[in-house]
Amino acid sequence: GQQVMQIPQYQHVQEGEDFTTYCNSSTTLSNIQWYKQRPGGHPVFLIQLVKSGEVKKQKRLTFQFGEAKKNSSLHITATQTTDVGTYFCAGPRRGYSGAGSYQLTFGKGTKLSVIP
Amino acid sequence: DADVTQTPRNRITKTGKRIMLECSQTKGHDRMYWYRQDPGLGLRLIYYSFDVKDINKGEISDGYSVSRQAQAKFSLSLESAIPNQTALYFCATSDGALGGQPQHFGDGTRLSIL
Repeated sequence: GQQVMQIPQYQHVQEGEDFTTYCNSSTTLSNIQWYKQRPGGHPVFLIQLVKSGEVKKQKRLTFQFGEAKKNSSLHITATQTTDVGTYFCAGPRRGYSGAGSYQLTFGKGTKLSVIP
Repeated sequence: DADVTQTPRNRITKTGKRIMLECSQTKGHDRMYWYRQDPGLGLRLIYYSFDVKDINKGEISDGYSVSRQAQAKFSLSLESAIPNQTALYFCATSDGALGGQPQHFGDGTRLSIL
């Protein structure tokens, strides 16, 4: 079945350094979503990418969707302590029960620690 | 997300007990989901529902059951809890078709089975 692989699993950076997490799918994705989960919190939707080669920015965060729509990345410039948390990518897959619609498969996440 | 409310927030119980986790939402979304989160394993889908009459198994449904009592309510039951069901459980909602819409998560229920 479809898998969404995310690397690295953990990343420790000094405050001010850049950070990147990568997401790879075994199949072509119609879209990809990114979520952030703060320590002790719940996942919060950040962004959705739909088009091949799409690049979107949110302040210091840059999201890319690969040309083949099988990989994506999230890059944070000049990390801050507020960036601490786990970042998940998620891609749609056919319903587990064979339903016609698609559900999300989440990567295992990249846990970011920022050293002040 | 305050629009998705999970109860209880924490629960400690014993092996063999029946447990129900409840989720209610005020977002007016048709689609509701139950996920389980374990350290290093990300979020795994247990069950999902597109509307009141629709229930679908997810990736790890064994040992769980659900009930969609109304558009706004989706409960998860563990009929006979076992220790490896100790985890953080999230309810989520979404609007729209084909899984393309963002999911909105509740604050989670931390469940410990002794």
